[in-house]
Amino acid sequence: EIVLTQSPGTLSLSPGERATLSCRASQSVSSSYLAWYQQKPGQAPRLLIYGASSRATGIPDRFSGSGSGTDFTLTISRLEPEDFAVYYCQQHSNSFTFGPGTKVDIK
Amino acid sequence: EVQLVESGGGLVQPGGSLRLSCAASGFTFSDHAMHWVRQAPGTGLEYVSSISDNGGSTYYANSVKGRFTISRDNSKNTLYLQMGSLRAEDMAVYYCVRRFNAYDYWGQGTLVAVSS
Repeated sequence: EIVLTQSPGTLSLSPGERATLSCRASQSVSSSYLAWYQQKPGQAPRLLIYGASSRATGIPDRFSGSGSGTDFTLTISRLEPEDFAVYYCQQHSNSFTFGPGTKVDIK
Repeated sequence: EVQLVESGGGLVQPGGSLRLSCAASGFTFSDHAMHWVRQAPGTGLEYVSSISDNGGSTYYANSVKGRFTISRDNSKNTLYLQMGSLRAEDMAVYYCVRRFNAYDYWGQGTLVAVSS
């Protein structure tokens, strides 16, 4: 099973700042099968990025994804108030596993 | 508009059974593989089970294999999850998810509570 590790566990930032979230896999993941999701309290997750770098429908361009192999990154260029949430990475190359999440909260 | 609406959750005793349903609309249901993902209270996301577009192939997480059965009725645009021998650790919100470019649409979830 591919294990995903996300860092940091919590990221405390102010609106307008840049957020950089990391996802590391225990073995190589095809970029085509790496996704990022956002989840707010009491809501279902929402797909942000698929294929490591493609934005899902309706996702603002302040969200971007990059990476390959075992290291992937989600970047939020300028945090908006609605971006404070938990972010999960997922691989669906070898079965389906999620990382433990990174919480982005207001500093 | 794509909609996935789960139902069937509730309180069940350990060892009991429950069947979840997911009614799909707004897309051609029979064109898509469908998945169940769960989230225990205060924790992260866990893949549970998946089924191919025509129902011919099914897959399960090791944690539920032999206890849960996924199925679908494409004539009714409905996905199911039959859960048996339920344990305390199965307590979670269960999400119905469409797989297309990763998990592109999620239902609102249905809560399964396992307690005596």
